[in-house]
Amino acid sequence: AQSVAQPEDQVNVAEGNPLTVKCTYSVSGNPYLFWYVQYPNRGLQFLLKYITGDNLVKGSYGFEAEFNKSQTSFHLKKPSALVSDSALYFCAVREGRGGNKLVFGAGTILRVKS
Amino acid sequence: DTAVSQTPKYLVTQMGNDKSIKCEQNLGHDTMYWYKQDSKKFLKIMFSYNNKELIINETVPNRFSPKSPDKAHLNLHINSLELGDSAVYFCASSLLAGRDNEQFFGPGTRLTVL
Repeated sequence: AQSVAQPEDQVNVAEGNPLTVKCTYSVSGNPYLFWYVQYPNRGLQFLLKYITGDNLVKGSYGFEAEFNKSQTSFHLKKPSALVSDSALYFCAVREGRGGNKLVFGAGTILRVKS
Repeated sequence: DTAVSQTPKYLVTQMGNDKSIKCEQNLGHDTMYWYKQDSKKFLKIMFSYNNKELIINETVPNRFSPKSPDKAHLNLHINSLELGDSAVYFCASSLLAGRDNEQFFGPGTRLTVL
């Protein structure tokens, strides 16, 4: 069964600094990987996904993520953090072999301080 | 013009009551989902319907019964509510399940069982 680990409950970063939110995954086939963001009292918003192809995926709001098959990781990154990026971030994985179920990590709170 | 909408936004009720949450999407998607987010923000899928057909049914008490009158609607009915049912319930939709399609989430329904 597929699973996702987000090892950090919270990440703190100063505005203007680069940020990384970590995610590792486990699947039996090829992974389909996703990042979502949840602002307080809101639903999840899709940020980006990796299906195949380029290991560096660019998404919404200046975020990008790097797929690393050997390390089974899909870390979310942004070169320069904004205070408005503060939110809860979820990594999710779905198996490539027709798997319907999206499994989410526990989430990482990102706090960007000015 | 909301893509995925849920009603009500808040639901406070007594133990033992029966309640329903409604979900509608106007994106033309074929697949809809119900997720439960607990107090620790952990997000877990409950059900998924594809063109009104149930395709995912996780280990959910049979007090929970999804109903899909058409592919744009997926309602969740809960019988004999228990304290542990208190959570935020999210509806989501996507294009065909089993593909690389991202899911679009509704704003959530915060259920409080007293």
